[in-house]
Amino acid sequence: KNEVEQSPQNLTAQEGEFITINCSYSVGISALHWLQQHPGGGIVSLFMLSSGKKKHGRLIATINIQEKHSSLHITASHPRDSAVYICAVRWAAGNKLTFGGGTRVLVKP
Amino acid sequence: DVKVTQSSRYLVKRTGEKVFLECVQDMDHENMFWYRQDPGLGLRLIYFSYDVKMKEKGDIPEGYSVSREKKERFSLILESASTNQTSMYLCASSLRGGYNSPLHFGNGTRLTVT
Repeated sequence: KNEVEQSPQNLTAQEGEFITINCSYSVGISALHWLQQHPGGGIVSLFMLSSGKKKHGRLIATINIQEKHSSLHITASHPRDSAVYICAVRWAAGNKLTFGGGTRVLVKP
Repeated sequence: DVKVTQSSRYLVKRTGEKVFLECVQDMDHENMFWYRQDPGLGLRLIYFSYDVKMKEKGDIPEGYSVSREKKERFSLILESASTNQTSMYLCASSLRGGYNSPLHFGNGTRLTVT
């Protein structure tokens, strides 16, 4: 069964701390998405990557294809970063996205 | 910026009612999707459409149907709502090119069936 696992499920950090969220998947993929969902419910696409590393502001996403693993890093975290972060993968075979269960991040001031 | 608009943020319906959830996008995207999100289960695909009048079943299509008569609008229909369809429903769109195009989500509709 094709699976996507995220860790940790919940994370609490103090403002300014460096945060890492992990996503592992079971078989080959063609792309991986990182998404952010705020308490109101709307989801924003942060990154889509198939290799290497991408950076946008304080957010950095990396992927290691051989190890079937991706990380999302938040540098100098801020309370407004509090959200659920979701990874989703498109499998190399087939057209569907599979979503991880999400990581709930709380950044305290 | 792409805007995906879902017609309602909150909806309360009775068991057996027919329910329509509407989604409109303004960027001429070919692909549109309906997901439901439940605690502990993540997002699951109900249906998607890659063109007008075209649709494909996702992972959990039972109890749902969809309609795409115009490119910008994708409707999710619950023919006879049941309590196990109480959930958060999210619509998304993307350019043609399959799932390697960025997804743009609406704000979600929280549906309660009593």
